[in-house]
Parts: sequence; structure tokens; C-alpha cells
Amino acid sequence: EVQLVESGGDLVQPGGSLRLSCTASGFGFHKYAMSWVRQAPGKGLEWVSSISNTGGDTDYADSVKGRFTISRDNSKNTVFLLMNNLRIEDTAVYYCAKRWSENFGAFNMWGQGTRVTVSS
Amino acid sequence: DIQLTQFPSTLSASLGDTVVISCRASRNANDWVAWYQQKPGRAPKLLISKTSNLDSGVPSRFSGGGSRTDFTLTITNLQPDDFATYYCQQYSSSPLSFGGGTKLEIK
Repeated sequence: EVQLVESGGDLVQPGGSLRLSCTASGFGFHKYAMSWVRQAPGKGLEWVSSISNTGGDTDYADSVKGRFTISRDNSKNTVFLLMNNLRIEDTAVYYCAKRWSENFGAFNMWGQGTRVTVSS
Repeated sequence: DIQLTQFPSTLSASLGDTVVISCRASRNANDWVAWYQQKPGRAPKLLISKTSNLDSGVPSRFSGGGSRTDFTLTITNLQPDDFATYYCQQYSSSPLSFGGGTKLEIK
């Protein structure tokens, strides 16, 4: 089955850390760029970060730059998002999304999302 | 950065109607605009990429158009399954950005 499955979401205190994972199946994971997109409660979509198919190129939204790190392990068909120094405003559902090509394109496949809550 | 302004933010329509959702970019998005549909509690779903390319399996009653800074999503013959929230997105340049969303409601 062609799918993306996220995991790792949790309740964490401000200043804490969390690592999200997204495991792909059913397609050639190593061929495609991947991204993380988040959605705060009751709000719209916000792009967080992207990584090229090889992992050689990464990009971040200004709101997370210096705090979040995206990486991937093509041998395990998995993309990660390491989130440090979490803030209350990082509270959201985090979606993993596949891009159309190796380093570009719209998001043509999405996971079901994993919820991150930052609260004391 | 390219900001996207979507309008209207809410749209009420009836079954069988035709609706148009607009998306304006703060500068040229070079046709690299996509549209997504999202239902409550679900992940977004790609409808259209590169302004007008319908994704696989998307009904032909959905269509996209526009160029440079002004883009539209048109839905003809509204069906019950179409009532959802729609987002435009530009992937022309970093940071990637989404419009604020348009909630399509049943009148």
C-alpha cells in the first residue's frame, strides 16, 4: 500500500525536544523530496521544512530555523524532524508530505499527521 | 517571500452550483501554484498542480487557471463531497507558502 505514516507526536514542555518520524511504503522513497507541513488548532497550513531526495539540500521556514532539523534515512524509507527548544506556538498537527520530484514540486501525498502539544 | 491571499474566506453554495475561489500572489509565482482540499480531521489532498494540472483521480469538475499573480480554482456542478476547505500554495520559491484557506459550506 502506498502511504506515509507519521509518529512521535506528544505533549512536551516549552523548551523541550521531540523527534518526529515519517515512514513511507509503496513507492520509491529515495527518488523524492519530502517535507513537513503543520497546522495549528483551527488554523491554516504552514510549510515547515523540506529535504531533497538525497538529503543534500534542506530548507526551513524562518519560524523554525535554528531549532528544527530535517533529515532522512533512505535505507529505512524514513524522514525525520528533530524539534528543539519547542515553543507554545509550535503546537500543531505535523504532516509529512511527499513532493512531486527529487527537489521540487507540489505535495502529492500526505500522511495522516501526528499531534504535537507544547504546554507547561 | 511570496504571500498568498485567498478569497473569499468562506463561500456558501448549493448542490449543482459553480464556484470560483481566488488566490493572489504578492509577486510572480511562475505558474507553480497548487490547490488542496481538506476535510475536518483529515490530511490535505492535492487537487491541482502547476496552475491547471489535475492530479490523478480528481474529478474533472475541478479546474485551475490563472498566471503570474492571479490564480483560480473553479468547481462546477457542486457535489456533497466537495464541501470542504481549500488552500492554494506556491512552490515557486522558498519559503513555500499557503493561502489562508476558503471554507466551502452548503447553503
